[in-house]
Amino acid sequence: GAVVSQHPSWVICKSGTSVKIECRSLDFQATTMFWYRQFPKQSLMLMATSNEGSKATYEQGVEKDKFLINHASLTLSTLTVTSAHPEDSSFYICSARRQGDNYGYTFGSGTRLTVV
Amino acid sequence: AQSVAQPEDQVNVAEGNPLTVKCTYSVSGNPYLFWYVQYPNRGLQFLLKYITGDNLVKGSYGFEAEFNKSQTSFHLKKPSALVSDSALYFCAVRDEDTGGFKTIFGAGTRLFVKA
Repeated sequence: GAVVSQHPSWVICKSGTSVKIECRSLDFQATTMFWYRQFPKQSLMLMATSNEGSKATYEQGVEKDKFLINHASLTLSTLTVTSAHPEDSSFYICSARRQGDNYGYTFGSGTRLTVV
Repeated sequence: AQSVAQPEDQVNVAEGNPLTVKCTYSVSGNPYLFWYVQYPNRGLQFLLKYITGDNLVKGSYGFEAEFNKSQTSFHLKKPSALVSDSALYFCAVRDEDTGGFKTIFGAGTRLFVKA
C-alpha cells in the first residue's frame, strides 16, 4: 500500500511554455503533499507544502507565481512550472502524507524537467 | 532551525564488509529521523525511521540505524554490504516542534560497494 504516482516521469519543453506535473496518491488519502526540487548531485530542497483545499505554503526563495501548486482533492496535487526557462531544468519530486499518519511519507518517482 | 549533516560525500566499501553512513542532526524538539535511498533518476525509497522507543532501528534490505541522543547522530549501518546497495542515501529529520510536518534532508552520501 501507500503508492504515489508522479507523472510525467520526464518532459522536455521549450522556453516560455508551462509544464504541469501531477502527483497522485493511488491507495490512500493524502492530506498534505510536499514538492521538492533536486539539482544534480545535490539534496532535495523543499519548495512548498500543500494541504488539500487550501493555498500552498512556499519556502523562502521559491516564487509562488512561477511554481503554481494546486491540491484540489485528497489524492491529487499538481505543480505547474509557468513560463519555464532553462534554469528551471531539474528533478522534481513529490511526497504525500497519509491522512492521520504523522510519520510515513511516500515519495513519487520524480519528474525530470528539461527546458530548451 | 532544524538541520541534518551527512559529513561524507561518498563511502566506498567492499562487498561483504560492514558499511556505515553517517548522519548528525540538530532540532529544537524531539527528532523524527529517517533514512531514504535513491537510485538514478528515481524517487526516494524509505529505509527506516526512528520516532521513539528502541535506539536501534531495523529497516528494509538488512539496514539498521542507531539513534544516539547525546551525540545527536543517526548512523546507517549494514553488517554485510552488497553491490546492489550502491546508491545515494539521504538522512532526513523532522522536528516534533515544527508542527508543519516538514522534512529536511541531508546533502546525501553516495555509497559504492565494490565486488
